Amino acid sequence: SQKIEQNSEALNIQEGKTATLTCNYTNYSPAYLQWYRQDPGRGPVFLLLIRENEKEKRKERLKVTFDTTLKQSLFHITASQPADSATYLCALREGSYKLIFGSGTRLLVRP
Amino acid sequence: SAVISQKPSRDICQRGTSLTIQCQVDSQVTMMFWYRQQPGQSLTLIATANQGSEATYESGFVIDKFPISRPNLTFSTLTVSNMSPEDSSIYLCSVALASGGADTQYFGPGTRLTVL
Repeated sequence: SQKIEQNSEALNIQEGKTATLTCNYTNYSPAYLQWYRQDPGRGPVFLLLIRENEKEKRKERLKVTFDTTLKQSLFHITASQPADSATYLCALREGSYKLIFGSGTRLLVRP
Repeated sequence: SAVISQKPSRDICQRGTSLTIQCQVDSQVTMMFWYRQQPGQSLTLIATANQGSEATYESGFVIDKFPISRPNLTFSTLTVSNMSPEDSSIYLCSVALASGGADTQYFGPGTRLTVL
């Protein structure tokens, strides 16, 4: 079955720097990959979707890359702010409708 | 997008009792999903709730323990039956909306359940 790995250690960075989070997957060739943000006590919020034929996708300060050869996606937040502190989850489609989520990486942005 | 509400937002329950969680969506959707998120863990899909048919359960989850209703296209309930402390978790409902050939999921705020 599909396996998704995200760094379980929190990423701690200084405000203004670029945060880079990694998502690796095995045993599947997804048509697209999604990134979500989850704040404590809240449900995940959709951020970005990148398709298998797209190398890169941008949305404001967010950038996602998708390397289907390496089976890896990178999620970047440029000019990070303390308000960006949250847990970021990547997710892949399995079958016709099921989303499989990674365990998430917690990002802490220090002022 | 979709706006999803859940009730209750949190509850503390005694072992052996049952709790029903409600999920309301602001638009009609075909598929609704119920997830569990245990402390420090990622989301695990419990079941998919389709209107007019029985829910589809994932491996490790059974209808007797987690009965689901889906009476219409905007509402669903999940019951956690005969609870034990191991059921302490956050329960989330979500809906999938299609856009450009891909499904994006929108989540409710979750129900934090503590079983004593």
